Amino acid sequence: SQQGEEDPQALSIQEGENATMNCSYKTSINNLQWYRQNSGRGLVHLILIRSNEREKHSGRLRVTLDTSKKSSSLLITASRAADTASYFCATDAGAGNQFYFGTGTSLTVIP
Amino acid sequence: GAGVSQTPSNKVTEKGKYVELRCDPISGHTALYWYRQSLGQGPEFLIYFQGTGAADDSGLPNDRFFAVRPEGSVSTLKIQRTERGDSAVYLCASSRFGGQGTGELFFGEGSRLTVL
Repeated sequence: SQQGEEDPQALSIQEGENATMNCSYKTSINNLQWYRQNSGRGLVHLILIRSNEREKHSGRLRVTLDTSKKSSSLLITASRAADTASYFCATDAGAGNQFYFGTGTSLTVIP
Repeated sequence: GAGVSQTPSNKVTEKGKYVELRCDPISGHTALYWYRQSLGQGPEFLIYFQGTGAADDSGLPNDRFFAVRPEGSVSTLKIQRTERGDSAVYLCASSRFGGQGTGELFFGEGSRLTVL
């Protein structure tokens, strides 16, 4: 299966600390995206990185992509309690008809 | 509306009943996706529409599941003879174009289906 796997499954940090989540996938991709999901809500797009990019920034978010290792990381700097949510990576491959989501990392930021 | 709208937000039904879940995508978005998410899991792909046609329905688990998008806008996911294992949150997403290198997906809040 193409489905990505996030690591760790759960992460608990203090407000102000940085949070790093990792995603691994199995086949070649067109792009990789990170989404956030608050409990019981829909997913919200955070950032997209294309297969020919290695790093991307958006506000307090930094995403890296290593296509040779088929992995990506999401760094949230200076975390806030409001960052508490589940974070998913999503990849598309081939015709791009499907987006494969990982199992998610549950982040808890303690005020 | 400004975002993807899904109705109903919650649906409780009995085993064996028929269920319809509706998705109203962002106006002008040609691509529409249905996903299913079980508790503690990531979204699982079901079907992708490009315009009115189902471009990829390989994620539908069996023939009890069917989806339509007759006018290229609103989509309905139909589940026949529901089973307890169908209980999940059904998520709809749309994107402007779809296909290779598609940008972000815009998700609705989901329809939570509970089969008793």
